[in-house]
Parts: sequence; structure tokens; C-alpha cells
Amino acid sequence: EVQLVESGGDLVQPGGSLRLSCAASGFTFSNYWMTWVRQTPGKGLEWVANIGQDGGEENYVDSVKGRFTISRDNAKNSLYLQMNSLRAEDTAVYYCARSTGWRTYSDYWGQGTQVTVSS
Amino acid sequence: DIQMTQSPSTLSASVGDRVTITCRASQTTGAWLAWYQQKPGRAPRLLIYKASNLESGVPSRFSGSGSGTEFTLTISSLQSDDFATYYCQQYSSFPLTFGGGTKVELK
Repeated sequence: EVQLVESGGDLVQPGGSLRLSCAASGFTFSNYWMTWVRQTPGKGLEWVANIGQDGGEENYVDSVKGRFTISRDNAKNSLYLQMNSLRAEDTAVYYCARSTGWRTYSDYWGQGTQVTVSS
Repeated sequence: DIQMTQSPSTLSASVGDRVTITCRASQTTGAWLAWYQQKPGRAPRLLIYKASNLESGVPSRFSGSGSGTEFTLTISSLQSDDFATYYCQQYSSFPLTFGGGTKVELK
């Protein structure tokens, strides 16, 4: 059974940093692109970033470029999102998701982790 | 960025009803469109990919159609388990973008 479990969400002050993790199991992690998607009540679902199977390619939404970094450790079956210079508008539930390719939909999602940016 | 617009934003229906949700793209996405179902406090669940392909395990009462800029998700006979919010997503170009969602509620 495919499982994706996010962790690392927290309350952080504006300008702060946070690192999210996603532990994957039930499939061959190194064979899949992986994605982060976030959700807010106001803006709905927003695709944030994705990363290739070997970590050699990354793509980001403009609003996080230069502040967020997606990475993975295939030996640990883990996906990460390093978030720096956090802003109030980054407040959201962050989902880790498995994708079937470079630029495509996500077929399995984790349950999400809450990130709140507030002073 | 490609803007995705769903209508209606809320839909009131009864069990057994045929339900249709529309998703329009600000520019053509070919058939690179997916539909997801989300229930409160849960992660989105993939229903349809490439506009009309049913994901494994999804009931056949769900169907998708369309291409270019206009797409529809149809539930042929609404069941109690189907009350949820539905989202479309284009994956024709980066950044991938979602529609604002359609909440299907009990009439």
C-alpha cells in the first residue's frame, strides 16, 4: 500500500525557516517524480514544486522560487521541502504527493502538515 | 500561468441525481487535465486523468470529457459517498494549476 506521511509543520515567525519531510513507503520511491502541493482556505490548492527521480531536476511556482528548495534522499525514501524567508501567505496545509512523470498529475497524496507563519 | 475556472462553486443535489461540473482553462491544455475529489480533513483523491481516463478503483459512475479549454466531470448517479469538493488540475504547462473547486452538497 502506498503511504506518504508528512511531518515538520509548525508555527513560525515571518522571515523564519522550516523543513518539511515526507516519508514514503509501499512503492519504489526512486522511480517516481515527487511533488509538494499546498492548500489554503482562501486560495485553494496550489502546486508548489516537483523533483525528478534522481533529484536532478526541480520545478517551482514563481511565488516560492529562491525561498523554497525541494530535495529527496532515495536511500531514505524521503522527500523534503526547505522553506526560508517565510511569509504570512505561505500559511497552508502542505501535501506531499507522488507523480507519474515530469509534468503530470499526482496519483497518491499524504495527509498533509500544517504550516502557520505568524508573529 | 493557465487559470482554471470551475462552475458552479457550489452544487446542491440529491442521491441519484446526475451531476455535471465544468472546468474552463484560460488557454488550451490539450487533454492534460485531472480531476480530484476531496473530503473535509482528507487529502485529494485522483479520479480522472488525461481528461477522460478513470483512475483504477474509482467507481464507473464518474466520467470525464472535454479537450482544449473546456472540460466536464459527470457523476451519473450521485451516491452519499460522493458529497465532497471536486477540483480540476491542468498539467499542460508549469506551474500546474488547479481550479477553485466545486462543493457538492446535499439538497
